[in-house]
Amino acid sequence: GQQLNQSPQSMFIQEGEDVSMNCTSSSIFNTWLWYKQDPGEGPVLLIALYKAGELTSNGRLTAQFGITRKDSFLNISASIPSDVGIYFCAGPYNFGNEKLTFGTGTRLTIIP
Amino acid sequence: GAVVSQHPSWVICKSGTSVKIECRSLDFQATTMFWYRQFPKQSLMLMATSNEGSKATYEQGVEKDKFLINHASLTLSTLTVTSAHPEDSSFYICSARDRGGNFGSGTRLTVV
Repeated sequence: GQQLNQSPQSMFIQEGEDVSMNCTSSSIFNTWLWYKQDPGEGPVLLIALYKAGELTSNGRLTAQFGITRKDSFLNISASIPSDVGIYFCAGPYNFGNEKLTFGTGTRLTIIP
Repeated sequence: GAVVSQHPSWVICKSGTSVKIECRSLDFQATTMFWYRQFPKQSLMLMATSNEGSKATYEQGVEKDKFLINHASLTLSTLTVTSAHPEDSSFYICSARDRGGNFGSGTRLTVV
């Protein structure tokens, strides 16, 4: 399957700072999904992107589907303590396939 | 809506025994469910696709005789880890796609 690489691997920020992370693929995706996983829990869907160039917001979160269809970005504005967790990008194995391949993850830590 | 319930949330078993994990779609019907495995500090890896009324399809490298999947109804899929060994200790997560991918809360399996 395709590999999804996320950057950075981890982030240490102060509360109130903005966060940016990205996800890149070696092949084209037609859907990008961004999830957040808290310790000991399953991932929760944050934003879904279905069209190249699409920019979608969910509260303080904004995600973009890259024009090349090989990357996606997630931004979090004015971070708060509950933003701590691991963020994963994901996409379907193949066009129209519901099986997901997940990125390597970005671990977000907020420094008090 | 689109809630996926997973049970148990954690289980400890002795080496050589079998463990069953349940995944239910609570408010929608799911002809297809997915089982993922996540080792500590790693990403989610798809193990198999559970198909209602037919055999599951397994990803490369996943032993079908060890990880038995049954999808007897439109709202329930079960994963049985047979003859569990310590290396099977992991976080198992199911997913049922309504739209965007809904995940259960995961099952932490520890084999001692």
